[in-house]
Amino acid sequence: RKEVEQDPGPFNVPEGATVAFNCTYSNSASQSFFWYRQDCRKEPKLLMSVYSSGNEDGRFTAQLNRASQYISLLIRDSKLSDSATYLCVVTEANTGNQFYFGTGTSLTVIP
Amino acid sequence: DVKVTQSSRYLVKRTGEKVFLECVQDMDHENMFWYRQDPGLGLRLIYFSYDVKMKEKGDIPEGYSVSREKKERFSLILESASTNQTSMYLCASSLRGPGFFGPGTRLTVL
Repeated sequence: RKEVEQDPGPFNVPEGATVAFNCTYSNSASQSFFWYRQDCRKEPKLLMSVYSSGNEDGRFTAQLNRASQYISLLIRDSKLSDSATYLCVVTEANTGNQFYFGTGTSLTVIP
Repeated sequence: DVKVTQSSRYLVKRTGEKVFLECVQDMDHENMFWYRQDPGLGLRLIYFSYDVKMKEKGDIPEGYSVSREKKERFSLILESASTNQTSMYLCASSLRGPGFFGPGTRLTVL
């Protein structure tokens, strides 16, 4: 059983499109949620935290659905530079600093 | 900007060798982590440390040990490298959250 699951994709979308990824988690006690971005052959970098009420950062919107145990990332007006792998990260209250990463969803934005 | 550096980008070692991977952060973070990343498996936590001389096992600690003698430095040690330890090794540091990652060390064990 994986703590965190993502559709690996790949998602191939045209420039300007809106694309959404979901990430499901298995432990209902999970407390903190994040989206990271990883470019090819680079390290993961924090894209945004996910708050209970949902949050937005420019073209990116993150949502948390506790009832169905998933988080989502919506990217509007996709840019070529959005091409990357998006990793969701979950932490559980009783594991302190232990974070569980999904395997990532690959996005390619096509001109 | 937080800077996390790792001692090598690429490393090739032979089976049975002792391997040291070093990680240094410059932001006075308490928490430091070692992960390995493999295709289809994602990032898996090997060890983490929340203070000097403190360490906690992650999901896959077997075959690895760690050392944190100074706050800014967290070392991963492969006591006797094996071919199944060929992987990308990523170090991270944080105050809270998963934190900031170093550039990674791609280790090949022959």
